[in-house]
Amino acid sequence: DTGVSQDPRHKITKRGQNVTFRCDPISEHNRLYWYRQTLGQGPEFLTYFQNEAQLEKSRLLSDRFSAERPKGSFSTLEIQRTEQGDSAMYLCASSLAKGMSFWDEQFFGPGTRLTVL
Amino acid sequence: DQQVKQNSPSLSVQEGRISILNCDYTNSMFDYFLWYKKYPAEGPTFLISISSIKDKNEDGRFTVFLNKSAKHLSLHIVPSQPGDSAVYFCAGCKETSGSRLTFGEGTQLTVNP
Repeated sequence: DTGVSQDPRHKITKRGQNVTFRCDPISEHNRLYWYRQTLGQGPEFLTYFQNEAQLEKSRLLSDRFSAERPKGSFSTLEIQRTEQGDSAMYLCASSLAKGMSFWDEQFFGPGTRLTVL
Repeated sequence: DQQVKQNSPSLSVQEGRISILNCDYTNSMFDYFLWYKKYPAEGPTFLISISSIKDKNEDGRFTVFLNKSAKHLSLHIVPSQPGDSAVYFCAGCKETSGSRLTFGEGTQLTVNP
């Protein structure tokens, strides 16, 4: 399977704990996105990388959230001191950007469902 | 600030009939609009797009219409099939923002055999 993969698929944690999610994009894709989806809502943009550079962060991404993409390959999203409001589906997507002025199709992974007790 | 809005949480149609899913937006700066489809336990998958300079794009059974003056777009599926049952998301994006997507809330389409 050469699609976007995410690990773990489900995570249950207690409030105050730290959690880390991993995303493996499609191998040749240079852009990687993180979105968060809560019940009854569409995905909301969190941040994106072009290669290893984090180019944009949403105001939704509080200082408890940090994302990395070392070497421009896989990415990790860490949430520190989790809160019940962090419970959501965290989606990763990747795309092949052909230039700064082109729209590129994003391919989504299956997501990591986080439950904070 | 809900820039993309889908006012119908659900839609039910009979197999073979037309499904029309609607979407409104407030951000005039979007360069593209897209529809994604999502099955349970899977990530969204791209369905069809339309540039803001077009008013129609067709791909097989799927057609997207854009009415810029009304800031409204719609997705037509004809004929509808039971396998089309899924949540459909409308999204907008700006070329200069790295193609980040701004999604609507989604509409659950159910196609009954």
